[in-house]
Amino acid sequence: GENVEQHPSTLSVQEGDSAVIKCTYSDSASNYFPWYKQELGKRPQLIIDIRSNVGEKKDQRIAVTLNKTAKHFSLHITETQPEDSAVYFCAASLSGNTPLVFGKGTRLSVIA
Amino acid sequence: DAGVIQSPRHEVTEMGQEVTLRCKPISGHNSLFWYRQTMMRGLELLIYFNNNVPIDDSGMPEDRFSAKMPNASFSTLKIQPSEPRDSAVYFCASRLQGFGETQYFGPGTRLLVL
Repeated sequence: GENVEQHPSTLSVQEGDSAVIKCTYSDSASNYFPWYKQELGKRPQLIIDIRSNVGEKKDQRIAVTLNKTAKHFSLHITETQPEDSAVYFCAASLSGNTPLVFGKGTRLSVIA
Repeated sequence: DAGVIQSPRHEVTEMGQEVTLRCKPISGHNSLFWYRQTMMRGLELLIYFNNNVPIDDSGMPEDRFSAKMPNASFSTLKIQPSEPRDSAVYFCASRLQGFGETQYFGPGTRLLVL
């Protein structure tokens, strides 16, 4: 089955700097890759996703890139703000019928 | 529209007691997932249902755990008997299978077994 590895497990950046979180997956058939943000004591919430027919997707300060050949995808946050501090999870799945497989999470701390 | 609803939000119980967690998925969603989250193990998928039918329960830790989905609007996760190591946050999530993969999580139930 699918296995998702996520790095780093913790990340500290200065406010205004960029943050990058990387994930690799094992099943080349996976074609859906969402990212979730979980603030302390809250539920995971989808922030951005990408499908395998797209190499990059942006939404304001957040972008995700996908390299299908290498089977890895990354989350990029630019101009980080203190409210970006949270745990971020990547996930992968075959489209539609199989559950998401999550990485272990990255705890991002943005230092003001 | 209401999101995924879970109850109770917090549960404190003593070892050996039965615990029942409840979930109401988003109306119209036909896939439902139960996850357990701990610091040590992260987000673990326990079981998921498609169209009220359990598809994969390989993540259920042991026979003390059981889950049901009697209809499209309701699911339960039961632990009997509960043990201290079951203490965790339990999330329910739902999505519309086949038309999109966006999976929405409920607020979670924080369970503490003493």
